Amino acid sequence: DSGVTQTPKHLITATGQRVTLRCSPRSGDLSVYWYQQSLDQGLQFLIQYYNGEERAKGNILERFSAQQFPDLHSELNLSSLELGDSALYFCASSRGTEAFFGQGTRLTVV
Amino acid sequence: GESVGLHLPTLSVQEGDNSIINCAYSNSASDYFIWYKQESGKGPQFIIDIRSNMDKRQGQRVTVLLNKTVKHLSLQIAATQPGDSAVYFCAENQNELRNQFYFGTGTSLTVIP
Repeated sequence: DSGVTQTPKHLITATGQRVTLRCSPRSGDLSVYWYQQSLDQGLQFLIQYYNGEERAKGNILERFSAQQFPDLHSELNLSSLELGDSALYFCASSRGTEAFFGQGTRLTVV
Repeated sequence: GESVGLHLPTLSVQEGDNSIINCAYSNSASDYFIWYKQESGKGPQFIIDIRSNMDKRQGQRVTVLLNKTVKHLSLQIAATQPGDSAVYFCAENQNELRNQFYFGTGTSLTVIP
């Protein structure tokens, strides 16, 4: 158990809808990262937050947004969903150089 | 084997043999690298890390080699076991201050009993 908790584990939704994925980082970790992993693909870095502020942006679509709250949990909002958004979405947290990953949320858009 | 299109590179080894998984990284300024193991249905797990001021680092049954000249990393697993079957990713930290980790495509390792 990495100590990073993601909910829900599975999510099935229709095209055009909006969903929110939640991440609770390890206790004390200030940095939260979001990654997208499509089938048989590597992990694509989406965005990083550090202590409530956006720190870095990767290949995140404009339809996607994220935030980190004062209690350090983070949410990734995906809107106007398309079939191609179906993927595993991972959250990771760190307080140093090593990132610890949650179990992921599997999103299926139908 | 080699990968084509969207498929992960794959490597099959006999149980007990040594495995070598390779990774090319993109940014010559990256100064910290991590190997992760991802089992089916799970998130990536840390295996071993190495800083750019080192060429080699050893862990339990694993060794990471770093060649900065050609921007290449390798992960060597000794006496590979069935439990080592997983996808292995290398990640480069492109900005230590910001801890931005970028992952390679991954290699799928299958251990044949």
